[in-house]
Amino acid sequence: EVQLVESGGGLVQPGRSLRLSCAASGFTFDDYAMHWVRQAPGKGLEWVSGISWNSDRIVYADSVKGRFTISRDNAKNSLFLQMNSLRAEDTAFYYCVKDVAMIVGGCFDPWGQGTLVTVSS
Amino acid sequence: EIVMTQSPATLSVSPGERATLSCRASQSVSSNLAWFQQKPGLAPRLLIYAVSTRATGIPARFSGSGSGTEFTLTISSLQSEDFAVYYCQQYNNWPPFTFGPGTKVDNK
Repeated sequence: EVQLVESGGGLVQPGRSLRLSCAASGFTFDDYAMHWVRQAPGKGLEWVSGISWNSDRIVYADSVKGRFTISRDNAKNSLFLQMNSLRAEDTAFYYCVKDVAMIVGGCFDPWGQGTLVTVSS
Repeated sequence: EIVMTQSPATLSVSPGERATLSCRASQSVSSNLAWFQQKPGLAPRLLIYAVSTRATGIPARFSGSGSGTEFTLTISSLQSEDFAVYYCQQYNNWPPFTFGPGTKVDNK
């Protein structure tokens, strides 16, 4: 069974940094692209970033470009999101999501349970 | 950026009835369109990809149709476990991958 378990969320002050992690299991991690998708409490879904199986292709939403960095460690079956210069509008549940392809394709299945990031002073 | 819209915002349906949800893209997304279901407190779940292909384990009462810019998700006979929010998403032109604002299906 595919499992994606996020960690690293919490309360952080505006302007500070946070690093999210996603532990993957139940599939061959380095056969698939991965993504982060977020959802502000009570709101809709917003794609944040995606990374190909070998980190050769990395893409970001404009709203986080230059502030967030996605990365992966295939040896440890892990996905990361380094979030710098955090803003109140970054407050959301952050989901780790598996792509159905090796390259970034954008078909998301499955999703982790999410980790909540709250940016507030 | 491709903007996705969904209608209606809320759909009130009784169990056993048919539910029809609409999704529109601001430009053609070819057949690169997916539907997700999200229940309160849970992560979204893939229902349909490539417009009409059901994901693994998704019941046959869920079906998708459409092409280009107009798409439909149909739940043929709504079950109690189907009350949820449904999102469409395009993966044709990116970045960014974009979602619609969602349609909430509730009990009439």
